[in-house]
Amino acid sequence: DIQMTQSPSTLSASVGDRVTITCRASQSISTWLAWYQQKPGKAPKLLIYKASSLENGVPSRFSGSGSGTEFTLTISSLQPDDFATYFCQQYNSYLYTFGQGTKLQVK
Amino acid sequence: QVQLQESGPGLVKPSQTLSLTCTVSGGSISTGTYFWSWIRQPAGKGLEWIGRIYSTGSTNYNPSLQSRATISLDTSQNQFSLKVTSVTAADTAMYYCARGRGGEFDYWGQGTQVTVSS
Repeated sequence: DIQMTQSPSTLSASVGDRVTITCRASQSISTWLAWYQQKPGKAPKLLIYKASSLENGVPSRFSGSGSGTEFTLTISSLQPDDFATYFCQQYNSYLYTFGQGTKLQVK
Repeated sequence: QVQLQESGPGLVKPSQTLSLTCTVSGGSISTGTYFWSWIRQPAGKGLEWIGRIYSTGSTNYNPSLQSRATISLDTSQNQFSLKVTSVTAADTAMYYCARGRGGEFDYWGQGTQVTVSS
């Protein structure tokens, strides 16, 4: 299995901050990586696919970058609606795996 | 707008079979462009991909379920289903159905909680 490790596990920030979440793969996955946002009691929502492609309807303050084994999700200016948990997911192999999640909370 | 909705028993006894159905609206599951997956999430934990099925009926599963999972299609009802045999408390989770695109999941159901308990 390809292991996905996110850091940090918890991130405290304020509205307007620029925040970055990192996801590392245990082996190269090229750019086969997606990012999701999940709010309590809700299903995950796709934000970014193929490492840096923004899903339709997702605000442009979200961006993704990286390739190989290291990836980042950046929120350029945090909005109140952005406090949630974020997951990365690799799809380089058919055995899809997710990171353990990063909880973005109010500072 | 594509929508997915899970249904099935919320409580399953240990050693029995968990059965869930996902009804898809707003699009056909027979479209070859996509695949259909089940994903689960124990309370307070991360996401685990269970398996996928294509419109051809071809399937792939996560080996972590040790061959206990089966996914099937019912194109006449525009549904796909999940069965997990010999369940234990470790199978207690929120179960989501989702549409796969290139490998990412672009549409998800709201999820259904399944508890394994006697």
